[in-house]
Amino acid sequence: KAGVTQTPRYLIKTRGQQVTLSCSPISGHRSVSWYQQTPGQGLQFLFEYFSETQRNKGNFPGRFSGRQFSNSRSEMNVSTLELGDSALYLCASKVDNTEAFFGQGTRLTVV
Amino acid sequence: DAKTTQPPSMDCAEGRAANLPCNHSTISGNEYVYWYRQIHSQGPQYIIHGLKNNETNEMASLIITEDRKSSTLILPHATLRDTAVYYCIATSNTGKLIFGQGTTLQVKP
Repeated sequence: KAGVTQTPRYLIKTRGQQVTLSCSPISGHRSVSWYQQTPGQGLQFLFEYFSETQRNKGNFPGRFSGRQFSNSRSEMNVSTLELGDSALYLCASKVDNTEAFFGQGTRLTVV
Repeated sequence: DAKTTQPPSMDCAEGRAANLPCNHSTISGNEYVYWYRQIHSQGPQYIIHGLKNNETNEMASLIITEDRKSSTLILPHATLRDTAVYYCIATSNTGKLIFGQGTTLQVKP
């Protein structure tokens, strides 16, 4: 069974640009969550989508947004990139009330 | 979700059992204890979870105290590949996981 797939794996963007990251969950998983990991702040929850609706949201500015499609695939978007947005972005999927499975992440570097 | 407290680092000899403690003294009745680990900036890997009974799977055992205020993850025969950051999380099973700083386990030959 295929795992959680995140694309792209690596990305370099310039300050002020925007970026879209993609996550394909495990088949049958309707919950998709996004996390940001930086050396200084560790792993932080961004948001969770379930059946195309945002169900939970972390403490990130409005520049960070996401969506989920009817096939449960999810995208997250970061607008007006800042140097501090350089991070490993992780996506996780789950069936409700079970453990989450993580993808390998997208490494975003903002220069 | 309840806050968890873990020691920042631990060492373990290869082949010996690794016992990783976690304190979650404010855990509520509907919150599970989950353990994940992260190896060298890969995505976190699920290990095990439990509510109040001890649990065992092919990777590890989870011992939860009777008052549920603390737990211990046991890797019965640690190998070098078990070197990782281990996270203990108390959650009511929503899609939101709150990660602390975790315990960096170094398995030494």
